[in-house]
Amino acid sequence: EIVLTQSPATLSLSPGERATLSCRASQSVSGYLAWYQQKPGQAPRLLIYDASTRATGIPTRFSGSGSETDFTLTISSLEPEDFAVYYCHQRSTWPQTFGQGTKVEIK
Amino acid sequence: QEQVVESGGGVVQPGRSLRLSCAASGFTLSSFGMHWVRQAPGKGLEWVAVIWYDGSNKYYADSVKGRFTISRDDFRSTVHLQMNSLRAEDTAVYYCARGATRLDLWGQGTVVIVSS
Repeated sequence: EIVLTQSPATLSLSPGERATLSCRASQSVSGYLAWYQQKPGQAPRLLIYDASTRATGIPTRFSGSGSETDFTLTISSLEPEDFAVYYCHQRSTWPQTFGQGTKVEIK
Repeated sequence: QEQVVESGGGVVQPGRSLRLSCAASGFTLSSFGMHWVRQAPGKGLEWVAVIWYDGSNKYYADSVKGRFTISRDDFRSTVHLQMNSLRAEDTAVYYCARGATRLDLWGQGTVVIVSS
C-alpha cells in the first residue's frame, strides 16, 4: 500500500502567519491527492482535491500544489478557525490511505 | 440539505459482530460511491472500505479484509458495514463518507468499542 508521510507532525504558528504542510507519498499518486481538515469532536472536512482544486466553499487562503510524490497544503494567512489537524489522502491505488496528520496549533 | 447519518455503533465483545448503517438524504445515493473511514481514539484517519455507485466493485483495507463487508440498499438510501470477528483494534469512530473522486460529505460518526 502507499504510505503517506506528513510533516511536520506539529506546526506552531500565530494568526496571520503562513502555514506550509507537506505530504510525501511512498510512490507516485499522480495528482490524486486530497487534503482534509479536522477539528476536535468533528468529522473531517474536504479542503482540496486532485492536488490543487479547492472544494466548494473553501476560502481562497487554502491552496494545494504538487504531483507524483510531493504535495503541499498552504494556508496563506492563518485565521483563528484554521487551527486544527490536517490530513492528506490518496485515491490513486487501492487501498486508499491517509497520512498521519499535521496539527496546526496556536503559538 | 445533503447529509449522511451513521448508526449501529455500540459496545461489543471480541469475536462478535456488529452492523453499521449510513442513511443518506438530500441527494441520490445511487449516483455516488460510498466509503467507510475510521478513527481510533486519539489517532488519525484510517480508510476502511468503499462500494462503487452501482455496487459493482468493493475494496477494503488489509486490516479488515475478510472480516468486514460493505453493501448498499439504494431503495432505502442506506449503506451498511457488516463487521465480523471484531478485535480490540477495531475500536474507533466509524465515519460514512460520500465520494468518487473526493470525500465531500461526511457524517458525524458512530462509536464502536470492542471490549470484554
